[in-house]
Amino acid sequence: HLVESGGGLAQPGGSLRLSCAASEFTFSRYWMQWVRQAPGKGLVWVSLILSDGTGAVYADSVRGRFTISRDTAKNTFLLQMNSLRAEDTAVYYCVGGTGWLMKSWGQGTLVTVSS
Amino acid sequence: EIVLTQSPGTLSLSPGGRATLSCRASQSVGANYLAWFQQKPGQAPRLLIYDASKRATGIPDRFSGSGSGTDFTLTISRLEPEDFAVFYCQQYASDPLTFGGGTKVES
Repeated sequence: HLVESGGGLAQPGGSLRLSCAASEFTFSRYWMQWVRQAPGKGLVWVSLILSDGTGAVYADSVRGRFTISRDTAKNTFLLQMNSLRAEDTAVYYCVGGTGWLMKSWGQGTLVTVSS
Repeated sequence: EIVLTQSPGTLSLSPGGRATLSCRASQSVGANYLAWFQQKPGQAPRLLIYDASKRATGIPDRFSGSGSGTDFTLTISRLEPEDFAVFYCQQYASDPLTFGGGTKVES
């Protein structure tokens, strides 16, 4: 139900924008989050946006560099990632749910930050 | 920030065995907003348990969650071959959301 895209290779200091396509039902009702997983490591929460887009929250490690948003016309959630660092290298999962609960996960998209 | 500590790091069991996984929080988890996820290699995590003890849709009843406050447990009553995976606990009571480090259940 959730399909991520936009991952790839970026240079340190560069930018990437991730997209998460959702059904109309999911888009209108779910709070959406991004969770990442570095290679061989555990899960780390990144950001969340409310179902109506009126508020967003970020992990300290990405605040000021990443921006989460919604594209209503395309039923798509976005994660704009700027000033990328090597430690941002990870699989990024788009996750939807009611409130803070992580109910439904996308398949993930790999972001690699390297020169 | 609520820190979640999972134990053991690895659990070696046989199919048909009983698995007991622990998740301890550094402070009380409000409203018992504690979830458990299963992740198999190369796959996205899957929600198993939420609100500490409620099974998610489609999850077999051999999976059960219990606990409150700072101590939580995931029990798999009879391990099936498809259950071997890494399991994570996660709290969604307060910002920032946090995960435990994971427990690998292996055969």
